[in-house]
Amino acid sequence: QKEVEQDPGPLSVPEGAIVSLNCTYSNSAFQYFMWYRQYSRKGPELLMYTYSSGNKEDGRFTAQVDKSSKYISLFIRDSQPSDSATYLCAMSVNNNNDMRFGAGTRLTVKP
Amino acid sequence: GAVVSQHPSRVICKSGTSVKIECRSLDFQATTMFWYRQFPKQSLMLMATSNEGSKATYEQGVEKDKFLINHASLTLSTLTVTSAHPEDSSFYICSARDAGGSDGYTFGSGTRLTVV
Repeated sequence: QKEVEQDPGPLSVPEGAIVSLNCTYSNSAFQYFMWYRQYSRKGPELLMYTYSSGNKEDGRFTAQVDKSSKYISLFIRDSQPSDSATYLCAMSVNNNNDMRFGAGTRLTVKP
Repeated sequence: GAVVSQHPSRVICKSGTSVKIECRSLDFQATTMFWYRQFPKQSLMLMATSNEGSKATYEQGVEKDKFLINHASLTLSTLTVTSAHPEDSSFYICSARDAGGSDGYTFGSGTRLTVV
């Protein structure tokens, strides 16, 4: 079993749709959870950063962490064509540890 | 926010030569940097953890003599791919965290290495 599982997609939605991206993990020691957006041939860009369980909202993006289920989600409201990218979940045990990444989900938002 | 600068963004080299990739933390100090490798349509795989002033820690299966890491200062880590072969062609990305900030890790823009 991989440490972090993420459906690679691809996922295609119409503009304006709500997008739900998810990851599951097996290591209960993970405490820091991140979502990155990666455009083709670019480095990942941090979107959301959360500690432990709970929700965090930033504009059209909402991150949820359910540590009891070892499940994290990223929701994108009113999706735009510019949101088309690969979304990677990542997590670490502490802030000085290396991160473990999901496979990344390729999202396409069609105009 | 924190910025990590990575150079070069793209390099083509001949088989058997060595290539150096630089990763700099701008306006913050990074005692630890991470080097990742990413194959097309795949996720990032951690290669090694670079520690300022000490030896890097390599992940299992990563040849330390092939992928030389030097973290000589609090703002600079370098990865040298020695005696490169075509199978080393990949996308290499570094990351670092601003300990004084509140965000997670920041990535460089990546280096696409092509060995011909």
